[in-house]
Amino acid sequence: QKEVEQNSGPLSVPEGAIASLNCTYSDRGSQSFFWYRQYSGKSPELIMFIYSNGDKEDGRFTAQLNKASQYVSLLIRDSQPSDSATYLCAVNMKGYSTLTFGKGTMLLVSP
Amino acid sequence: DAGVIQSPRHEVTEMGQEVTLRCKPISGHDYLFWYRQTMMRGLELLIYFNNNVPIDDSGMPEDRFSAKMPNASFSTLKIQPSEPRDSAVYFCASSLGRGTGKGNTIYFGEGSWLTVV
Repeated sequence: QKEVEQNSGPLSVPEGAIASLNCTYSDRGSQSFFWYRQYSGKSPELIMFIYSNGDKEDGRFTAQLNKASQYVSLLIRDSQPSDSATYLCAVNMKGYSTLTFGKGTMLLVSP
Repeated sequence: DAGVIQSPRHEVTEMGQEVTLRCKPISGHDYLFWYRQTMMRGLELLIYFNNNVPIDDSGMPEDRFSAKMPNASFSTLKIQPSEPRDSAVYFCASSLGRGTGKGNTIYFGEGSWLTVV
């Protein structure tokens, strides 16, 4: 049974703080990992992907991957109210031809 | 580029009626996906096509659901007969690949919000 687990939240952080969003997955053979952002009433959009263990940085966003622990996270530095959205973790699991999405974590950044 | 275009954006229908959702993918994309999103189940893949051919329809919930892609620029998802539990947001998406690797980002349409009463 393929599973991608995320805390539904909401995760509330003040403006300027670091937001940490976490995701675990069930398949140790998973190959690639993605973070999609979905604003309320809108469609998901890709913001980060990571393939190798370690960190990948893109502006204020850092994706972290630990395959041994089957854990991927997204850090948002200097959080802004405009970052308030639901963040979906998606995993390409071994044996499956498409992405498996988690249910998402809602992030609320207060001014 | 216009992005993935879906219609209708919103539909309210009575139980038992036929519902047809439409999608125009991004030109040049050879993969098309239909997803359903609900609070309870999250974002679920229903079916995807490659070069207009259905590849995996294992996510289609039951025989009431059918999808077609008669050409590279058009796809439909049909529900007949519709039931209240079909109420959800249905997203169409397209990509140059399966969305699992570099360079083949999945682009989502704005969704069709379906309510079955």
